Amino acid sequence: KAGVTQTPRYLIKTRGQQVTLSCSPISGHRSVSWYQQTPGQGLQFLFEYFSETQRNKGNFPGRFSGRQFSNSRSEMNVSTLELGDSALYLCASSLDVAMDIYEQYFGPGTRLTVT
Amino acid sequence: AQTVTQSQPEMSVQEAETVTLSCTYDTSENNYYLFWYKQPPSRQMILVIRQEAYKQQNATENRFSVNFQKAAKSFSLKISDSQLGDTAMYFCAFMKLYGGSNYKLTFGKGTLLTVNP
Repeated sequence: KAGVTQTPRYLIKTRGQQVTLSCSPISGHRSVSWYQQTPGQGLQFLFEYFSETQRNKGNFPGRFSGRQFSNSRSEMNVSTLELGDSALYLCASSLDVAMDIYEQYFGPGTRLTVT
Repeated sequence: AQTVTQSQPEMSVQEAETVTLSCTYDTSENNYYLFWYKQPPSRQMILVIRQEAYKQQNATENRFSVNFQKAAKSFSLKISDSQLGDTAMYFCAFMKLYGGSNYKLTFGKGTLLTVNP
């Protein structure tokens, strides 16, 4: 079974631009969560999507948004990029994070650098 | 609000020895879940072990075991017979479910463990 894939793996953007990251979950997984990982703040939960609906949300500004498609693939968008948005963005999928809360399978991440 | 503290930013251990990573958390909740995740260098994060707060028995997964002290709000990870492949960043995480499918997941800052040959 293929694992969680994220594209692109590396991205360099300029302040003020917007960016879209993509995550393809493991086949059959319906829950997709996004995390931001930085050396200073560590790993922070952004949001979770299930059946095309945002079900849970962390404490990030509205510049961070996402969506999920009918095939469970998910995208995350960051508008008006700031230098502080430079981070590793991780995606994780699970069958249903509420019913199967233990097993979240992580992707390799997208390394975003904002200059 | 829940907070998770990993007081050891870095640790090292000799191969085949035992090491314990500490994690404390602060919550007023009674029912929750705790996890240890492992993130090897340039590799994907994986779940190492999990513990339900309502279970008194400490979770064990092969060479990995936890010491869960609910009253002290402590959740340490013990790695026995350390192997070079255990070198990784280890994250402690706290999850609280709020009825239905709503939850809050909080991670510690991580402990970088290096296993030396």
